[in-house]
Amino acid sequence: GAVVSQHPSRVICKSGTSVKIECRSLDFQATTMFWYRQFPKQSLMLMATSNEGSKATYEQGVEKDKFLINHASLTLSTLTVTSAHPEDSSFYICSAKSEQGREQYFGPGTRLTVT
Amino acid sequence: LAKTTQPISMDSYEGQEVNITCSHNNIATNDYITWYQQFPSQGPRFIIQGYKTKVTNEVASLFIPADRKSSTLSLPRVSLSDTAVYYCLVGENQGGKLIFGQGTELSVKP
Repeated sequence: GAVVSQHPSRVICKSGTSVKIECRSLDFQATTMFWYRQFPKQSLMLMATSNEGSKATYEQGVEKDKFLINHASLTLSTLTVTSAHPEDSSFYICSAKSEQGREQYFGPGTRLTVT
Repeated sequence: LAKTTQPISMDSYEGQEVNITCSHNNIATNDYITWYQQFPSQGPRFIIQGYKTKVTNEVASLFIPADRKSSTLSLPRVSLSDTAVYYCLVGENQGGKLIFGQGTELSVKP
């Protein structure tokens, strides 16, 4: 099956700094990528949808200036958490979908801890 | 997007068949039904997808009645490693946007 990777798998940063998380589709071209956030014991919450070469579409309540999403190629999307604060500590998961495919393939997730 | 309702948790024993039912009363004509499995601190893993009737693959079966307002994921002969959270999602196939509900936490005991 299709493989999606994320880097880093876990990151610890200080409050006020920015962190970039990469999401890559390894063996297919991802025309659409999705970013989710998951707090402990909760379900995944969709943050935004990004299509290659265009601006991301953010879900209601998600600050687009804080969570910068770039989908510059068909195999790479990045999420940058700007001026991170402890409340941004969470598990961030991306998924990718090809133009022809029906399933979304999820990455392994990135554990972000802001101290 | 159609909202889904699943039991919050289920318990089972090794070797049993487990059926998890999901309600999606507002499913649209273009919507497919997809089930994912998630282990702690991992991304969800695709299990099965269907539109109507019955779909079977090497790990599960998916039963969808004619009105498509519900679906049942069937896991045959579960093992301890099937302990996980199972999510039922309903979304438009081409658009791809999926909204996760609370999921069902399945606990398999020896």
